[in-house]
Amino acid sequence: AQTVTQSQPEMSVQEAETVTLSCTYDTSESNYYLFWYKQPPSRQMILVIRQEAYKQQNATENRFSVNFQKAAKSFSLKISDSQLGDTAMYFCAFMKPLGSGSYQLTFGKGTKLSVIP
Amino acid sequence: GAVVSQHPSWVICKSGTSVKIECRSLDFQATTMFWYRQFPKQSLMLMATSNEGSKATYEQGVEKDKFLINHASLTLSTLTVTSAHPEDSSFYICSARGFGGRNSPLHFGNGTRLTVT
Repeated sequence: AQTVTQSQPEMSVQEAETVTLSCTYDTSESNYYLFWYKQPPSRQMILVIRQEAYKQQNATENRFSVNFQKAAKSFSLKISDSQLGDTAMYFCAFMKPLGSGSYQLTFGKGTKLSVIP
Repeated sequence: GAVVSQHPSWVICKSGTSVKIECRSLDFQATTMFWYRQFPKQSLMLMATSNEGSKATYEQGVEKDKFLINHASLTLSTLTVTSAHPEDSSFYICSARGFGGRNSPLHFGNGTRLTVT
């Protein structure tokens, strides 16, 4: 079974600064996908960024980037130029295809990020 | 694109009654939808995988007769909490995989807050 570990229950960052959220996972699979989701107080789950395990290049989406270390099974999220609207719970997620169009998604426990003005 | 609509957003019901929650994929077809439960300040817990035209697959510990899932069409899955009790009060979120190939992420509904009195 896959496990996803987010070791930082809570973090804070000053507005305009950079913060990194950590995520490690445990799997024996070679084909999988990783995601970071954001859940603001509205509780809507919003996709932040995705990474395919077969790609060595780290994914980037505007101010959000990841440091994907496949051998270390690490998938950290870096938020640059933090904005007040980045305040949310952030969940790291691991997705494994199971074949026949089905797949398994496992979430970490989340990191609560507070951006301080 | 890839919008998932969930309804209702908040429901209050009396103990012993049943509540139906709808999850619709608005601009794509979803053969598979997922139902999650989220307790306050916790991560998402997968309850079941809803498959169009067949029986849902429930996670261990989730009562099939308690949480009835029907995936009657490619755009609609429903979760019915039967004979609700106060301990069923929670936040329920559905999701569906978007289009775009194997690395398509999950798109989430806005969630339903269930309060059983």
